[in-house]
Amino acid sequence: AQKITQTQPGMFVQEKEAVTLDCTYDTSDPSYGLFWYKQPSSGEMIFLIYQGSYDQQNATEGRYSLNFQKARKSANLVISASQLGDSAMYFCAMREGLSGNNRLAFGKGNQVVVIP
Amino acid sequence: DTGVSQNPRHKITKRGQNVTFRCDPISEHNRLYWYRQTLGQGPEFLTYFQNEAQLEKSRLLSDRFSAERPKGSFSTLEIQRTEQGDSAMYLCASSFSTSGRGEQFFGPGTRLTVL
Repeated sequence: AQKITQTQPGMFVQEKEAVTLDCTYDTSDPSYGLFWYKQPSSGEMIFLIYQGSYDQQNATEGRYSLNFQKARKSANLVISASQLGDSAMYFCAMREGLSGNNRLAFGKGNQVVVIP
Repeated sequence: DTGVSQNPRHKITKRGQNVTFRCDPISEHNRLYWYRQTLGQGPEFLTYFQNEAQLEKSRLLSDRFSAERPKGSFSTLEIQRTEQGDSAMYLCASSFSTSGRGEQFFGPGTRLTVL
């Protein structure tokens, strides 16, 4: 069964505007972590932001914030003030459990193109 | 800190040949992961090492695949008798086991094309 669902089609966003990328997840484990990674055309996966299942506040890292709605099992990424360099694929991922191998389960990704 | 490095960056091979990829993790990281990413998909977990011990292998990792991490430093991933379905990006990641978040840092990947 798919653990991470990202279903939005490719998105075009105007430079300096905000964009929200949807992510829903499925787990029965009460302890988990959620991650967002950026993959530009060069191929490298770049870690952006993390949200733990027990965190009381939504995570923020610079222009990135995570809208964590635990009851709905969603962890949407918000990129504020988009820049041309934000054009990339964005992947949501989940780690189940507090310990163990920390393997990540990824969604299929969201394509974002920032236009000037 | 030079980050995770992978070699080669690109590999083109003929079906039936063997290939080997190398990953050098961030030096203080004791965990190392291999993932495979096909076109239009997110990365899929293949295997994981803590230090030199291979602790888990995905069912995606057929008998033709073998991974090693001698001395708990760099790792190699070998594919024997390559098939066209093995064409993909192979990503290596590393992390530090005591990191509360457990975020993984990825290398640039090795893109394999099997003709």
